[in-house]
Amino acid sequence: AQSVTQLGSHVSVSEGALVLLRCNYSSSVPPYLFWYVQYPNQGLQLLLKYTTGATLVKGINGFEAEFKKSETSFHLTKPSAHMSDAAEYFCAVGTSGTYKYIFGTGTRLKVLA
Amino acid sequence: EAQVTQNPRYLITVTGKKLTVTCSQNMNHEYMSWYRQDPGLGLRQIYYSMNVEVTDKGDVPEGYKVSRKEKRNFPLILESPSPNQTSLYFCASSWGDRHYEQYFGPGTRLTVT
Repeated sequence: AQSVTQLGSHVSVSEGALVLLRCNYSSSVPPYLFWYVQYPNQGLQLLLKYTTGATLVKGINGFEAEFKKSETSFHLTKPSAHMSDAAEYFCAVGTSGTYKYIFGTGTRLKVLA
Repeated sequence: EAQVTQNPRYLITVTGKKLTVTCSQNMNHEYMSWYRQDPGLGLRQIYYSMNVEVTDKGDVPEGYKVSRKEKRNFPLILESPSPNQTSLYFCASSWGDRHYEQYFGPGTRLTVT
């Protein structure tokens, strides 16, 4: 069975500071990993994904994440936070050959001026 | 414009009154899925469909039905809604060979009293 744990339901950073949102997964088979962003009153938008290949993946809006198999982690980072990054972020896991996806409980990012 | 649409966006109903939430996509996607989002629980997959007439259960299918008679539509049916089905519902779609890159609709907020 697969699972996803997002550490920290709320994270606050100052504008210009590093953003680090944590995601750990559990999967008995090689996972597909995703980060989605949800702005207020909107649906989810795919930020980035890892399926195979390079473990450091870059996404939209300057975000990136690194797949670390030994740590079963897929943390999301951005070097410098912008006010527009304030949103809720979801980590998700899936596997090749299946159509099921498990989402984490979300991390709400607040950016302080 | 490529999009996933859901109707209605907001619905308040009473226990036991059958309702249908429609989902339609104009991208010729094979894969479609329904999720519910609840505070502290993230998104949970209800049902998904790999193509016309092919559907399967997600993690929380109880109390819901779906059908996929046309490629573009994937309605979610609540035969006898109960208050514990009060939630924010999202439909998503993607291409079959890249089903992990899901496009989400704007959401339907359902309240069952």
